[in-house]
Amino acid sequence: DAGVIQSPRHEVTEMGQEVTLRCKPISGHDYLFWYRQTMMRGLELLIYFNNNVPIDDSGMPEDRFSAKMPNASFSTLKIQPSEPRDSAVYFCASSPRLSRGEGNEQYFGPGTRLTVT
Amino acid sequence: DAKTTQPPSMDCAEGRAANLPCNHSTISGNEYVYWYRQIHSQGPQYIIHGLKNNETNEMASLIITEDRKSSTLILPHATLRDTAVYYCIVRVASGYSSASKIIFGSGTRLSIRP
Repeated sequence: DAGVIQSPRHEVTEMGQEVTLRCKPISGHDYLFWYRQTMMRGLELLIYFNNNVPIDDSGMPEDRFSAKMPNASFSTLKIQPSEPRDSAVYFCASSPRLSRGEGNEQYFGPGTRLTVT
Repeated sequence: DAKTTQPPSMDCAEGRAANLPCNHSTISGNEYVYWYRQIHSQGPQYIIHGLKNNETNEMASLIITEDRKSSTLILPHATLRDTAVYYCIVRVASGYSSASKIIFGSGTRLSIRP
């Protein structure tokens, strides 16, 4: 398996522009997570989906951020309009459904480094 | 989810065992202990998890104290490639609910010296 795929790997944009980050989870995984990582705040969970349905979006910073999962193999995180403080590395992760009552490990993609000037 | 406490940094000589401690004194009976690591410029990587028994896999061993208030991740023969930030996380492992999310703390920055 190719693992979690994210695109683009790097994105540089100007303030006010729309940014779309893309993620392809591991085939067969039921959960998909979006995280953001900065030096100041560390790794933060933004939103996660179960079977393409958003379950918890309490980490989404504000209305400028939106995430969708139209099918089991694709998700997007959109920022509109972007601001310099959105500069960060954005990670997507997926995990399989739970089994035997145990926890499920998350598999992370390589991340998208976003710079907003 | 229970809060965890880890030392901010540690170092270890290459080839020696690296022992990374984690305190989770408020852990509940249904919470698992998870370890992830993040190598520079990469996404976090799952290492191991356990409930109350010690666990071992190809990457590491996890030792959980009998009262479950602390645990230790052991990398038996550390290499330079093990230099990373290691995160100890405790979380409920249950069905399809918000309990499935992971909250990352600040972790331990492990440096392996040649």
